[in-house]
Amino acid sequence: EIVLTQSPGTLSLSPGERATLSCRASQSVSSDQLAWYQQKPGQAPRLLIYRASSRATGIPDRFSGSGSGTDFTLTISRLEPEDFAVYYCQQFGSSPGWTFGQGTKVEIK
Amino acid sequence: EAQLVESGGGLVKPGGSLRLSCAASGFTFSNAWMRWVRQAPGQGLEWVGRIRSNTAGGTADYAAPVKGRFTVSRDDSKNTLYLQMNSLKTEDTAVYYCTATCHSDSSGCYWGQGTLVSVSS
Repeated sequence: EIVLTQSPGTLSLSPGERATLSCRASQSVSSDQLAWYQQKPGQAPRLLIYRASSRATGIPDRFSGSGSGTDFTLTISRLEPEDFAVYYCQQFGSSPGWTFGQGTKVEIK
Repeated sequence: EAQLVESGGGLVKPGGSLRLSCAASGFTFSNAWMRWVRQAPGQGLEWVGRIRSNTAGGTADYAAPVKGRFTVSRDDSKNTLYLQMNSLKTEDTAVYYCTATCHSDSSGCYWGQGTLVSVSS
């Protein structure tokens, strides 16, 4: 089973700054099967990025995804107040299951 | 606009049963592959089970911790997804979300607001 490790656990930044979130897989993952979600307290996850680099419908272009193999990155170019949340990466491999990373919390500095 | 609304959560004793429902609207439910994902209090996300569309066979798959205890089913005539949970354990305590998958089942496009299941004596 593939394990996804996200870093850092918490990112303390100010509005307007750039956020770089990492997701590392224990073995190679197809780029077609790597997604990123945003979750705010008391809310369901929201799909941001699918297939490693494609933005989901309605997602602002300040969110971008990149990477391949075992290393993937979610970048928020300029943090807006509404972007402070927890972010999860998720992969879908050869088994029917989804695997999630443990999450990165982006908090206001 | 696509919408998923879960219901059926609550407090149940260990060893008990509960059935969750997820009512779908705003998209073609019969074509959708659906999943249940849960989140224990203060923890991350965990996949629970998946059901294919009936045109793809309608079969279900389960995560190891729930296999043999949980059953995912669907009623396309009612646009509703179900999760039957038997032999509940304290570690099943979580918010349960239903999600309609997309991009060849690789991600969850639409999510419900979640329903809380608490297993405690």
